[in-house]
Amino acid sequence: EPEVTQTPSHQVTQMGQEVILRCVPISNHLYFYWYRQILGQKVEFLVSFYNNEISEKSEIFDDQFSVERPDGSNFTLKIRSTKLEDSAMYFCASSGNYRATDTQYFGPGTRLTVL
Amino acid sequence: SQQGEEDPQALSIQEGENATMNCSYKTSINNLQWYRQNSGRGLVHLILIRSNEREKHSGRLRVTLDTSKKSSSLLITASRAADTASYFCATDFYNQGGKLIFGQGTELSVKP
Repeated sequence: EPEVTQTPSHQVTQMGQEVILRCVPISNHLYFYWYRQILGQKVEFLVSFYNNEISEKSEIFDDQFSVERPDGSNFTLKIRSTKLEDSAMYFCASSGNYRATDTQYFGPGTRLTVL
Repeated sequence: SQQGEEDPQALSIQEGENATMNCSYKTSINNLQWYRQNSGRGLVHLILIRSNEREKHSGRLRVTLDTSKKSSSLLITASRAADTASYFCATDFYNQGGKLIFGQGTELSVKP
């Protein structure tokens, strides 16, 4: 069964460093998302992406964040200068068609630890 | 706020019993999705129910949606120890770019 994959599973970085989190969405999906979950808290939406553009972003997704689909399979989240409060589990998700209210399938997550 | 709220926050039952979790929200939705998360792991999709549907089943799972009360419930029948996890409802609102708003979740513990 197709699934969303994410790498790395765990990333440790120093405050102020740039990190890139990688995702491979399900191959025929058109809509891509990033969410995060700070330890012990609920899952929060960051950004949605379709047709090489951001469709929607949250207040969390400030200028330090960017997303890219560099090729036909990968979808990346870049944090330019990490802060301690960026420590969280980051989930990538994809869906076939959000207009058809389709299911969002989540990857296993990347645990980001900022020291 | 648009966010879903779930109750109870924690639920402890014996194996074989049924578990019911509830979710409420505040504005009109496209759909509502239920996910399971084992401790520290990813989100596993369980069921999607659309705004024009009232009930859906999948195996031992039954989801209901009452749009007049802006609430949904997830029933797990004949629970097993392996059902121990956190369960989240996530709502997809109109004209929000497909983003899902998650509730705080219900932590279910099924004792063997």
